[in-house]
Amino acid sequence: SQQGEEDPQALSIQEGENATMNCSYKTSINNLQWYRQNSGRGLVHLILIRSNEREKHSGRLRVTLDTSKKSSSLLITASRAADTASYFCATDAGGSYIPTFGRGTSLIVHP
Amino acid sequence: DTAVSQTPKYLVTQMGNDKSIKCEQNLGHDTMYWYKQDSKKFLKIMFSYNNKELIINETVPNRFSPKSPDKAHLNLHINSLELGDSAVYFCASSQDGRRPYEQYFGPGTRLTVT
Repeated sequence: SQQGEEDPQALSIQEGENATMNCSYKTSINNLQWYRQNSGRGLVHLILIRSNEREKHSGRLRVTLDTSKKSSSLLITASRAADTASYFCATDAGGSYIPTFGRGTSLIVHP
Repeated sequence: DTAVSQTPKYLVTQMGNDKSIKCEQNLGHDTMYWYKQDSKKFLKIMFSYNNKELIINETVPNRFSPKSPDKAHLNLHINSLELGDSAVYFCASSQDGRRPYEQYFGPGTRLTVT
């Protein structure tokens, strides 16, 4: 089944730096979403980007989608310690809009 | 008010037992889901219900049986628990699983089978 793969698996940065996470997938998609999961919590939706969109912004978040390369990136600018979490991409394809999740990128932001 | 709630938050039980996890959403969503997250954080969908009807049933042992008494509730019953069932189980809901809507997740139930 369609599944995104996040890269890197883990990322450690200092507060104030930018964090970039990537997601690659294998087949054509309808939509791609990014979610955040704080330790011991459920996932929280961040951004949904459709296959005909190339870029979306939400506050300090910027998501790009390159369908020719079958990849997406999530950029968090001016990171804060509170951004420490795992970030997942999720894709849906074909006739199903139910997203399939990757394994996530674990981000640690040091104060 | 909690949008998607699950009970219990922690469940420790022995192999062979039967247990249930309850999920409720107060968002008025039509579609609800159960996911299993393993120790490596891989999140795999198990079931999806749209308006009380099963629309997805991934390759899950038939020891797992979802039950949806109404569209606000989706409970998960597990028979004859095995060690490999230990994981965190998440319930989620979305406005309509037949369209690209965001999912709202519950806090998770950590199941430990000993």
